[in-house]
Formats: sequence, C-alpha cells, structure tokens
Amino acid sequence: AQRVTQPEKLLSVFKGAPVELKCNYSYSGSPELFWYVQYSRQRLQLLLRHISRESIKGFTADLNKGETSFHLKKPFAQEEDSAMYYCALSGSSGYSTLTFGKGTMLLVSP
Amino acid sequence: KAGVTQTPRYLIKTRGQQVTLSCSPISGHRSVSWYQQTPGQGLQFLFEYFSETQRNKGNFPGRFSGRQFSNSRSEMNVSTLELGDSALYLCASSLDGEAYEQYFGPGTRLTVT
Repeated sequence: AQRVTQPEKLLSVFKGAPVELKCNYSYSGSPELFWYVQYSRQRLQLLLRHISRESIKGFTADLNKGETSFHLKKPFAQEEDSAMYYCALSGSSGYSTLTFGKGTMLLVSP
Repeated sequence: KAGVTQTPRYLIKTRGQQVTLSCSPISGHRSVSWYQQTPGQGLQFLFEYFSETQRNKGNFPGRFSGRQFSNSRSEMNVSTLELGDSALYLCASSLDGEAYEQYFGPGTRLTVT
C-alpha cells in the first residue's frame, strides 16, 4: 500500500529563517512525488514535482529514494509562504490517484 | 480559461439523506477526480472518471458513487449519509489524467447533522 507521512502538523518560523517541511513515503514501485500548497481562502495548487527539479517561489525538494523522503526546503522563509503544504504521491501509472499526506501548516512570523 | 467549478459550495444534510455534488472541469479536460478532505484523515482519493468511465477508485464504501457526462462534467453521489461524511469534497480536472496536470476546484463543504 502506498502511504505519505508528514510528521509535523505545524511548523512555525520567523521571516528569513530556513524552512524544511518533511515528507516520507512508502511505495513499492517508482512513484512520482509532488508538493501541493493551499494558501488561505485559495484552492489547492501544485507547487512542484520531483521530476521537474525546479525551484518554485524559492522552494526546492529532492527525492531521496534511499531514505524514501521528499522534503521541501527554502533557505529564507517569507511571510507570504504561510500556508498549508501537502506532500503527495502518484503511482507509476501517473494517473490521477494521488495519495496525500495529512499536511503541514507553515506559519512565518515577521 | 475558467477554472474548475463546483456546486453547491455549501450543503447541510441530515443523516440518512442522499446528496449529489457537481463538478465542471476546465474546458477540454477529460479527466475528473474526486477527493474527500477531513481534519482527521486529510485528503483521500475517491474516484477518477475519464471519458465517462470510472478509471480508478479509492477505498470508500459503495454509498459513494459518481458519474461523468459526455461534456466531462461529473457528479458524485453519497447515499444514506452518515455524520462521518461531513467533509470538504474537492474535484480536480486534467487533460488526460496525469497527476501533475490536475487543477482543483474550490470544494463543496458538506455538513451532515
């Protein structure tokens, strides 16, 4: 069975501090990993996917197959980064059967 | 282009009743997926429809069903509502079902009393 674990429900940091949102997964094949973000009163939206290896809004995430992790990082947090972040996994079929973690609320204080 | 729309946005029902939620995908998108979001369980996949056929199904009881019409609009139905069905129901559309292409709607907030 596939599973995504986000161990922190809430992460509170000060503006300018580094941020790391943890995500661990369990999947027997080759998954595709994603980070989704939901800002207050906005829709859930894709932040980044591991295949693209992009930096979006200063965030990066590296897939570590050995540790089965896909942690989201940003060197300097901004207040506008405050949001709910979800790590998600899709099986190798790529179809829309996303398995989500329970999410981590990131609060960035001034 | 217009985003994914869901109707109604809020709904209050009584235990034992049934409910139908609607999702209109982005124009041209053929895949519609449904998710249930609750504080305890988070986001859980319900099912996916592609070209009017259910292609994938999550681990939910048979009380949860759905369908897709020829214009790709989708409905999901929950029969014999239980208190635990209270949740935000999200739908997402994509061109062909690729996970990274999904665009989410605002959700329908269902409260069962």
